[in-house]
Amino acid sequence: NAGVTQTPKFRILKIGQSMTLQCTQDMNHNYMYWYRQDPGMGLKLIYYSVGAGITDKGEVPNGYNVSRSTTEDFPLRLELAAPSQTSVYFCASSWRDRGRSDYGYTFGSGTRLTVV
Amino acid sequence: GQSLEQPSEVTAVEGAIVQINCTYQTSGFYGLSWYQQHDGGAPTFLSYNGLDGLEETGRFSSFLSRSDSYGYLLLQELQMKDSASYFCAVYPGGYQKVTFGIGTKLQVIP
Repeated sequence: NAGVTQTPKFRILKIGQSMTLQCTQDMNHNYMYWYRQDPGMGLKLIYYSVGAGITDKGEVPNGYNVSRSTTEDFPLRLELAAPSQTSVYFCASSWRDRGRSDYGYTFGSGTRLTVV
Repeated sequence: GQSLEQPSEVTAVEGAIVQINCTYQTSGFYGLSWYQQHDGGAPTFLSYNGLDGLEETGRFSSFLSRSDSYGYLLLQELQMKDSASYFCAVYPGGYQKVTFGIGTKLQVIP
Protein backbone atom coordinates (compact mmCIF):
# COMPACT_ATOMS: atom_id res chain seq x y z
CA ASN A 1 0.00 0.00 0.00
CA ALA A 2 1.87 3.07 -1.30
CA GLY A 3 -0.41 5.76 0.19
CA VAL A 4 0.38 9.18 -1.30
CA THR A 5 3.24 9.33 -3.80
CA GLN A 6 4.86 12.59 -4.86
CA THR A 7 7.37 13.15 -7.63
CA PRO A 8 9.96 14.55 -7.98
CA LYS A 9 11.51 14.66 -4.51
CA PHE A 10 13.87 17.51 -5.38
CA ARG A 11 13.94 20.09 -8.15
CA ILE A 12 15.82 23.26 -9.00
CA LEU A 13 14.07 25.66 -11.36
CA LYS A 14 15.24 28.84 -12.97
CA ILE A 15 13.10 31.97 -12.67
CA GLY A 16 10.39 31.93 -15.31
CA GLN A 17 10.44 28.17 -15.88
CA SER A 18 7.38 26.01 -15.38
CA MET A 19 6.90 22.55 -13.93
CA THR A 20 4.31 20.10 -12.69
CA LEU A 21 4.49 18.39 -9.30
CA GLN A 22 2.87 14.99 -9.46
CA CYS A 23 0.71 13.48 -6.72
CA THR A 24 -1.00 10.07 -6.77
CA GLN A 25 -2.90 8.27 -4.03
CA ASP A 26 -4.10 4.66 -4.02
CA MET A 27 -6.45 4.81 -1.02
CA ASN A 28 -9.54 5.88 -2.99
CA HIS A 29 -9.69 9.10 -0.95
CA ASN A 30 -12.09 11.68 -2.29
CA TYR A 31 -10.37 14.76 -0.83
CA MET A 32 -6.89 15.85 -1.92
CA TYR A 33 -4.82 18.90 -0.98
CA TRP A 34 -1.64 20.75 -1.84
CA TYR A 35 0.28 22.52 0.92
CA ARG A 36 3.51 24.46 0.98
CA GLN A 37 5.76 24.67 4.00
CA ASP A 38 8.37 27.37 4.36
CA PRO A 39 11.27 26.94 6.85
CA GLY A 40 10.09 27.09 10.46
CA MET A 41 6.52 27.64 9.40
CA GLY A 42 3.30 25.71 9.33
CA LEU A 43 1.48 24.35 6.32
CA LYS A 44 -0.31 26.74 3.99
CA LEU A 45 -3.10 25.39 1.78
CA ILE A 46 -2.60 26.13 -1.92
CA TYR A 47 -5.46 24.23 -3.58
CA TYR A 48 -7.76 21.40 -2.68
CA SER A 49 -10.20 19.04 -4.39
CA VAL A 50 -13.29 17.33 -3.03
CA GLY A 51 -13.52 14.88 -5.92
CA ALA A 52 -12.67 14.30 -9.55
CA GLY A 53 -13.41 17.40 -11.60
CA ILE A 54 -13.81 19.71 -8.60
CA THR A 55 -11.06 21.99 -7.34
CA ASP A 56 -10.94 25.18 -5.28
CA LYS A 57 -8.44 27.72 -4.03
CA GLY A 58 -6.85 27.66 -0.62
CA GLU A 59 -4.98 30.41 1.24
CA VAL A 60 -2.09 30.92 -1.19
CA PRO A 61 -3.16 29.96 -4.75
CA ASN A 62 -1.40 32.70 -6.75
CA GLY A 63 1.15 31.31 -9.20
CA TYR A 64 -0.26 27.79 -9.13
CA ASN A 65 -2.88 25.74 -10.94
CA VAL A 66 -4.34 22.30 -10.36
CA SER A 67 -6.54 19.74 -12.06
CA ARG A 68 -8.27 16.58 -10.85
CA SER A 69 -9.26 14.41 -13.79
CA THR A 70 -9.22 11.17 -11.77
CA THR A 71 -9.72 10.22 -8.12
CA GLU A 72 -6.08 9.14 -7.88
CA ASP A 73 -4.17 12.07 -9.39
CA PHE A 74 -3.90 15.70 -8.32
CA PRO A 75 -1.01 17.47 -10.11
CA LEU A 76 0.13 20.98 -9.16
CA ARG A 77 1.35 23.24 -11.93
CA LEU A 78 3.76 26.13 -11.37
CA GLU A 79 3.80 28.69 -14.15
CA LEU A 80 6.58 31.28 -14.42
CA ALA A 81 8.46 30.18 -11.31
CA ALA A 82 9.57 32.90 -8.88
CA PRO A 83 12.02 32.78 -5.94
CA SER A 84 9.06 33.21 -3.58
CA GLN A 85 7.91 29.74 -4.62
CA THR A 86 11.00 28.15 -3.11
CA SER A 87 9.47 25.84 -0.54
CA VAL A 88 8.63 22.26 0.36
CA TYR A 89 5.39 21.10 -1.22
CA PHE A 90 3.23 18.41 0.33
CA CYS A 91 0.31 16.62 -1.22
CA ALA A 92 -2.23 15.04 1.14
CA SER A 93 -5.46 13.10 0.95
CA SER A 94 -8.35 12.17 3.21
CA TRP A 95 -11.78 10.56 3.15
CA ARG A 96 -14.97 12.32 4.03
CA ASP A 97 -18.61 11.50 3.55
CA ARG A 98 -21.83 11.97 5.49
CA GLY A 99 -21.53 8.68 7.30
CA ARG A 100 -17.88 8.70 8.24
CA SER A 101 -14.82 10.88 7.94
CA ASP A 102 -11.18 10.18 8.54
CA TYR A 103 -9.90 13.24 10.30
CA GLY A 104 -6.28 12.37 9.73
CA TYR A 105 -4.64 13.43 6.53
CA THR A 106 -2.17 11.15 4.78
CA PHE A 107 0.76 13.14 3.43
CA GLY A 108 3.21 12.40 0.66
CA SER A 109 6.94 12.63 1.33
CA GLY A 110 7.19 16.11 -0.20
CA THR A 111 8.89 17.89 -3.07
CA ARG A 112 11.72 20.26 -2.21
CA LEU A 113 11.71 23.04 -4.80
CA THR A 114 14.31 25.75 -5.19
CA VAL A 115 13.83 28.61 -7.66
CA VAL A 116 17.03 30.44 -8.61
CA GLY B 1 -10.73 33.05 9.85
CA GLN B 2 -8.73 30.76 12.06
CA SER B 3 -5.62 31.30 14.18
CA LEU B 4 -3.72 28.89 16.37
CA GLU B 5 -1.03 29.50 18.96
CA GLN B 6 1.49 26.97 20.20
CA PRO B 7 4.96 27.36 21.70
CA SER B 8 7.75 27.49 19.14
CA GLU B 9 10.18 25.27 21.07
CA VAL B 10 10.13 22.87 24.01
CA THR B 11 13.02 20.92 25.52
CA ALA B 12 12.50 17.86 27.73
CA VAL B 13 14.55 15.04 29.20
CA GLU B 14 14.43 11.47 27.97
CA GLY B 15 11.98 9.44 30.06
CA ALA B 16 10.09 12.51 31.22
CA ILE B 17 6.61 13.82 30.35
CA VAL B 18 6.01 16.88 28.19
CA GLN B 19 2.85 18.81 27.36
CA ILE B 20 2.48 20.91 24.20
CA ASN B 21 -0.36 23.41 24.34
CA CYS B 22 -2.49 24.80 21.56
CA THR B 23 -5.02 27.61 21.77
CA TYR B 24 -7.22 28.51 18.84
CA GLN B 25 -9.58 31.18 17.58
CA THR B 26 -11.89 30.05 14.81
CA SER B 27 -15.06 31.17 13.12
CA GLY B 28 -16.24 27.56 13.23
CA PHE B 29 -14.93 24.53 15.09
CA TYR B 30 -15.41 20.84 14.54
CA GLY B 31 -12.30 19.26 16.05
CA LEU B 32 -8.59 19.48 16.84
CA SER B 33 -5.91 17.15 15.55
CA TRP B 34 -2.17 16.71 16.08
CA TYR B 35 0.59 15.81 13.66
CA GLN B 36 4.24 14.87 14.10
CA GLN B 37 6.92 15.86 11.63
CA HIS B 38 10.56 14.81 11.82
CA ASP B 39 13.16 17.04 10.15
CA GLY B 40 13.06 16.47 6.41
CA GLY B 41 10.01 14.25 6.69
CA ALA B 42 6.30 14.46 6.04
CA PRO B 43 3.68 15.22 8.69
CA THR B 44 2.08 12.11 10.15
CA PHE B 45 -1.29 12.06 11.89
CA LEU B 46 -1.23 11.39 15.64
CA SER B 47 -4.69 12.06 17.08
CA TYR B 48 -8.04 13.78 16.73
CA ASN B 49 -10.36 15.23 19.38
CA GLY B 50 -13.93 16.03 18.40
CA LEU B 51 -15.29 16.02 21.94
CA ASP B 52 -14.03 17.46 25.22
CA GLY B 53 -11.73 15.22 27.18
CA LEU B 54 -8.68 13.06 26.85
CA GLU B 55 -7.88 10.62 24.04
CA GLU B 56 -5.07 8.16 24.71
CA THR B 57 -2.98 6.32 22.12
CA GLY B 58 -0.06 4.52 23.70
CA ARG B 59 2.49 7.02 25.04
CA PHE B 60 0.63 9.93 23.42
CA SER B 61 -2.55 11.56 24.72
CA SER B 62 -4.47 14.54 23.44
CA PHE B 63 -6.91 16.74 25.31
CA LEU B 64 -9.56 19.20 24.20
CA SER B 65 -11.62 21.84 26.03
CA ARG B 66 -14.07 23.46 23.63
CA SER B 67 -15.19 26.04 26.21
CA ASP B 68 -11.58 27.23 26.64
CA SER B 69 -10.65 26.90 22.93
CA TYR B 70 -7.67 24.93 24.14
CA GLY B 71 -6.03 21.60 23.63
CA TYR B 72 -2.77 19.86 24.39
CA LEU B 73 -0.66 16.93 23.36
CA LEU B 74 0.90 14.91 26.17
CA LEU B 75 3.91 12.74 25.48
CA GLN B 76 4.94 10.29 28.19
CA GLU B 77 8.12 8.25 28.66
CA LEU B 78 9.91 10.47 26.19
CA GLN B 79 12.31 8.82 23.79
CA MET B 80 15.02 10.40 21.66
CA LYS B 81 13.02 9.53 18.55
CA ASP B 82 10.23 11.83 19.79
CA SER B 83 12.41 14.81 18.85
CA ALA B 84 10.33 16.39 16.08
CA SER B 85 7.94 19.21 15.36
CA TYR B 86 4.35 18.85 16.53
CA PHE B 87 1.50 20.69 14.82
CA CYS B 88 -1.99 21.25 16.08
CA ALA B 89 -4.65 21.65 13.41
CA VAL B 90 -8.24 22.87 13.52
CA TYR B 91 -11.15 21.47 11.52
CA PRO B 92 -13.54 24.42 11.15
CA GLY B 93 -16.39 22.32 9.77
CA GLY B 94 -17.97 22.30 6.34
CA TYR B 95 -15.47 21.29 3.67
CA GLN B 96 -12.52 19.60 5.32
CA LYS B 97 -10.03 22.50 5.07
CA VAL B 98 -7.73 22.23 8.02
CA THR B 99 -5.74 25.15 9.42
CA PHE B 100 -2.35 24.21 10.87
CA GLY B 101 -0.42 25.93 13.64
CA ILE B 102 3.22 26.89 13.04
CA GLY B 103 4.42 23.90 15.04
CA THR B 104 6.32 23.24 18.27
CA LYS B 105 9.84 21.91 17.91
CA LEU B 106 10.45 19.36 20.66
CA GLN B 107 14.00 18.51 21.57
CA VAL B 108 14.52 15.47 23.78
CA ILE B 109 17.85 15.49 25.60
CA PRO B 110 19.58 12.61 27.42
